[in-house]
Amino acid sequence: AQSVTQLGSHVSVSEGALVLLRCNYSSSVPPYLFWYVQYPNQGLQLLLKYTTGATLVKGINGFEAEFKKSETSFHLTKPSAHMSDAAEYFCAVSEGGSYIPTFGRGTSLIVHP
Amino acid sequence: SAVISQKPSRDICQRGTSLTIQCQVDSQVTMMFWYRQQPGQSLTLIATANQGSEATYESGFVIDKFPISRPNLTFSTLTVSNMSPEDSSIYLCSVIPDGQETQYFGPGTRLLVL
Repeated sequence: AQSVTQLGSHVSVSEGALVLLRCNYSSSVPPYLFWYVQYPNQGLQLLLKYTTGATLVKGINGFEAEFKKSETSFHLTKPSAHMSDAAEYFCAVSEGGSYIPTFGRGTSLIVHP
Repeated sequence: SAVISQKPSRDICQRGTSLTIQCQVDSQVTMMFWYRQQPGQSLTLIATANQGSEATYESGFVIDKFPISRPNLTFSTLTVSNMSPEDSSIYLCSVIPDGQETQYFGPGTRLLVL
């Protein structure tokens, strides 16, 4: 079985500060990992994904995430927050061939001017 | 990737009535899914709707309450039947394009039941 834990339902940062959203997963097989973003009144948009290969994955809008097998983590980072980054962020894990991911509860990113 | 549209984008309905949500994809896909996202919650999978077979419902969801149609590879509908205020939620259509490993989502249908 697979599961995802997102630490912190809300993260607040100042504009220009580092963004760090935490995600830990559990999977019985090598996982596929995803980060999605949901802007207000919109659906989910894929930010980035890890399936195999390079463990540091770069996504859209300057976000990146690093797969750390030893820590079962896939934390999302961005060096400098922008006001437009304010949104809900979801981490998800799937077990390879099943393809249907399990989603975390989400982290709301708040960006202060 | 896939571009997904949903209709309606939002609706306010009276309890006891039913609402049918449409999902249209810009390419042919086998795997299609319906999710519910209740206020402040994560996504809960309602059912998998693969073309050519009956929809497969997750625990806690039944066909009588959430009938699904999948007439072709680009379209699906989800009906929320005999609605109650507890059905107020965002309903999301999602696909995994054939041969890909990534799930794409529609913009969602925001439903409020009074």
